[in-house]
Amino acid sequence: KNEVEQSPQNLTAQEGEFITINCSYSVGISALHWLQQHPGGGIVSLFMLSSGKKKHGRLIATINIQEKHSSLHITASHPRDSAVYICAVSTGGSEKLVFGKGTKLTVNP
Amino acid sequence: NAGVTQTPKFQVLKTGQSMTLQCAQDMNHNSMYWYRQDPGMGLRLIYYSASEGTTDKGEVPNGYNVSRLNKREFSLRLESAAPSQTSVYFCASTPGEGTYEQYFGPGTRLTVT
Repeated sequence: KNEVEQSPQNLTAQEGEFITINCSYSVGISALHWLQQHPGGGIVSLFMLSSGKKKHGRLIATINIQEKHSSLHITASHPRDSAVYICAVSTGGSEKLVFGKGTKLTVNP
Repeated sequence: NAGVTQTPKFQVLKTGQSMTLQCAQDMNHNSMYWYRQDPGMGLRLIYYSASEGTTDKGEVPNGYNVSRLNKREFSLRLESAAPSQTSVYFCASTPGEGTYEQYFGPGTRLTVT
C-alpha cells in the first residue's frame, strides 16, 4: 500500500465549481505538502502545513493530524487551475518527501 | 534569481550511452534532490544531498551516480543508459536545517532507445 494516497485520480469540473482533492497518509509526518504541476511539466509548491489550515487566494489546504488526512480546496475554479495536484509528506524530521501519484484536474469553461 | 535550473531540457540516448544531467540553484540552499517521474508512479527519489560533499541513496538509485561538487550544483550521471531509465527527471532544493519547502527545476525529458 502506498504511504500517500490521493483521491480522486482524475477530476473534471465546470468553471466556477468548488473543488476538493483528498490526501491520506499512513505514517507519522513532519509536514504535508501540496504541489501543482502544470501541463508544461513545471512543479511548484503551493502549501506546506503541519496543522490546521492555510489559505492562498482561492486555494485552501487543511490537515487533520489525528485522522492522517488533508484536503486541498479550490473555490470558484477556473480553466487555468487545470493541472496535476500532488500531495507529499516529509517524515521523521527528514526533508525527504514521499509523494502521492497526483490528481489530474481539468476545469472546463 | 533563476531558482533551480536544469540542463538539458530534452535528451535522446541509445542504450549503453552515458550522460550527465546538470542541476544548479542560486538560492544558497543546503539540500538538493534528484527525482524521476514516470506515468502512474508519482515522483520517486533517486539520490539526495543534505549538504555540500554528502550524498545518500533514495528509493531508486540503481543505475545512477551523483556528485555534489559545491553548494550550487548537483549532477546526476547515467553510466550506461537503459530503456527503463526513460523518464522525466527533476532536480529540487530546500533551504535545509528544518525548512522543508522544495523548489523544483523545470525537468529533463530523457528517452533511451
